[in-house]
Amino acid sequence: QSALTQPASVSGSPGQSITISCTGTSSDVGGYNFVSWYRQHPGKAPKLIIYDVSSRPSGVSNRFSGSKSTNTASLTISGLQAEDEADYYCSSYTSTSTVVFGGGTKLTVL
Amino acid sequence: QLQLQESGPGLVKPSETLSLTCAVSGASISSGPYYWGWIRQPPGKGLEWFGSTHYSGNTYYNPSLKTQFTISVDTSKNQLSLRLSSVTAADTAVYYCARHLDNRQRGFDYWGQGTLVTVSS
Repeated sequence: QSALTQPASVSGSPGQSITISCTGTSSDVGGYNFVSWYRQHPGKAPKLIIYDVSSRPSGVSNRFSGSKSTNTASLTISGLQAEDEADYYCSSYTSTSTVVFGGGTKLTVL
Repeated sequence: QLQLQESGPGLVKPSETLSLTCAVSGASISSGPYYWGWIRQPPGKGLEWFGSTHYSGNTYYNPSLKTQFTISVDTSKNQLSLRLSSVTAADTAVYYCARHLDNRQRGFDYWGQGTLVTVSS
């Protein structure tokens, strides 16, 4: 299975909105509504911020939103804050009953 | 509050077998529909899923991994394990255990803090 494709880096200024893409195939992202997004600060474990494409776990800010179009999922962070600077990973369930992650995107808050 | 805690040897020699455990507290590993998974992250790199298991023994593995490994659950100790055979330097990584949401197709909502394993002679 190939990793999902994410941009290596994105950046934005405080208060702005940014979007991170996650591109797969019809066998993973496009075939199921089981895309998740994780935020990972340096030296910390990943934290689930979006599941099932667009659902937020309890306690996660509504500044985080997810969507999907065909084989590409997207994570949008609005009202960018300094604490949002982190690595972001997407993942998807696949047609072979496995889980595949994206390569990760480093978000820099300017 | 559910908590997961990984433990391992820290340093392993090439060709040896690596054994990791994940102690689960705050909930029984043998209750409910939950699957429990192992994920690793080589230094400076992304996340890689190993596999996920249910206490019933139902286990799904990542067929793309070149490393020989097995995942198991010990309900008496409320823990899961990951065992890698014939490790190489490429197996150097932080290893995480995590719990799926109430369906193994969905994301991981609880994670351990991770344990760093270095493969070196």
